Amino acid sequence: DAGVTQSPTHLIKTRGQHVTLRCSPISGHKSVSWYQQVLGQGPQFIFQYYEKEERGRGNFPDRFSARQFPNYSSELNVNALLLGDSALYLCASTPVGHYEQYFGPGTRLTVT
Amino acid sequence: ILNVEQSPQSLHVQEGDSTNFTCSFPSSNFYALHWYRWETAKSPEALFVMTLNGDEKKKGRISATLNTKEGYSYLYIKGSQPEDSATYLCAHPWGKFYFGSGTKLNVKP
Repeated sequence: DAGVTQSPTHLIKTRGQHVTLRCSPISGHKSVSWYQQVLGQGPQFIFQYYEKEERGRGNFPDRFSARQFPNYSSELNVNALLLGDSALYLCASTPVGHYEQYFGPGTRLTVT
Repeated sequence: ILNVEQSPQSLHVQEGDSTNFTCSFPSSNFYALHWYRWETAKSPEALFVMTLNGDEKKKGRISATLNTKEGYSYLYIKGSQPEDSATYLCAHPWGKFYFGSGTKLNVKP
């Protein structure tokens, strides 16, 4: 079975620009979560979606938004990029009725 | 906000050494404690999900224990090998996943 996939792998953007990151969960998983990981810290929760509805939101500004599509894939959007948004963005999917999270390889975003 | 703390931040051991590190979490309203192994350039990989006080789980040379009353979990690696080099993360799900900052283990051949 294919694992969680994320695209792109790496991305370089300029301050003020907008970025869209994509995630495809493991087949059959209906919940997707997004995390931001900066060097030296653990992943910080951004959003969780289940059945296309937002189920949780972390302490991130409104510049961060996400959505989940009917096929359970998800997009994370960040507007008006700041230098501090440079990080590894991880997506994780969860099977129905379980709490284990299966992570993708991440998207490395660099904002210059 | 839930505080999940891990120590030490990093650890350097020789091949063959046994090692252990700690994850501390709030003992009230406990549901579960997850351990992950994260190798460089790879995805975090689930190691254990621990739910019961006194729980002990084992996978090969890696084992973990749980004390929910005092709010800590230990991860042990027996006879460390270079391939054990990774960052070990713990996470406490309480509405959302709260991760510790990880323990970075480096095993020298």
